[in-house]
Amino acid sequence: DTEVTQTPKHLVMGMTNKKSLKCEQHMGHRAMYWYKQKAKKPPELMFVYSYEKLSINESVPSRFSPECPNSSLLNLHLHALQPEDSALYLCASSQDWRGRGETQYFGPGTRLLVL
Amino acid sequence: DQQVKQNSPSLSVQEGRISILNCDYTNSMFDYFLWYKKYPAEGPTFLISISSIKDKNEDGRFTVFLNKSAKHLSLHIVPSQPGDSAVYFCAASARAGGTSYGKLTFGQGTILTVHP
Repeated sequence: DTEVTQTPKHLVMGMTNKKSLKCEQHMGHRAMYWYKQKAKKPPELMFVYSYEKLSINESVPSRFSPECPNSSLLNLHLHALQPEDSALYLCASSQDWRGRGETQYFGPGTRLLVL
Repeated sequence: DQQVKQNSPSLSVQEGRISILNCDYTNSMFDYFLWYKKYPAEGPTFLISISSIKDKNEDGRFTVFLNKSAKHLSLHIVPSQPGDSAVYFCAASARAGGTSYGKLTFGQGTILTVHP
């Protein structure tokens, strides 16, 4: 089973709203990732968590706040977003990070629209 | 600086024929390569990978070839099926260190269309 689940599937929010994206995996993976993907572009890495600790922040604006409550869950808290933040947000997980089991498995994504 | 390049934005193939998708990279630290398939509004699906210690890896209809000296890899799909129509992303990682250590670097993707 290589399933990563994400909720919600779609999200529309205003620029003053606070919302959260959720990601879950039950593969026992110890690394989890957030990516942002714009139309006709490749995924862009935002954050990497390894063993529930933030390992990489790709200079993402503070209006995006990641959280890893436990090894199976990853959240992305959104606040005061801009219309240009509208995109497909992808979660991924891998067996480990910076090791030999780093094939990443992606969830279906959350389609976010900021009005 | 685009370290992973897929120079063909699109490829059109007849059903039953071979599809060949190409990918070039510039970072000599890359030592692990993956191919993902993506349908619109869905997440990428892992297809196949290859380590730099190999030059070929096969999984059913999918074969990936790696030419380290040319810094080139290709994905062969034989026979191609209409359900293979999707965007294909090549990705690379550096498992030994460097600025790309622990990250996947993606190409821009190639849209494959398989006609019945």
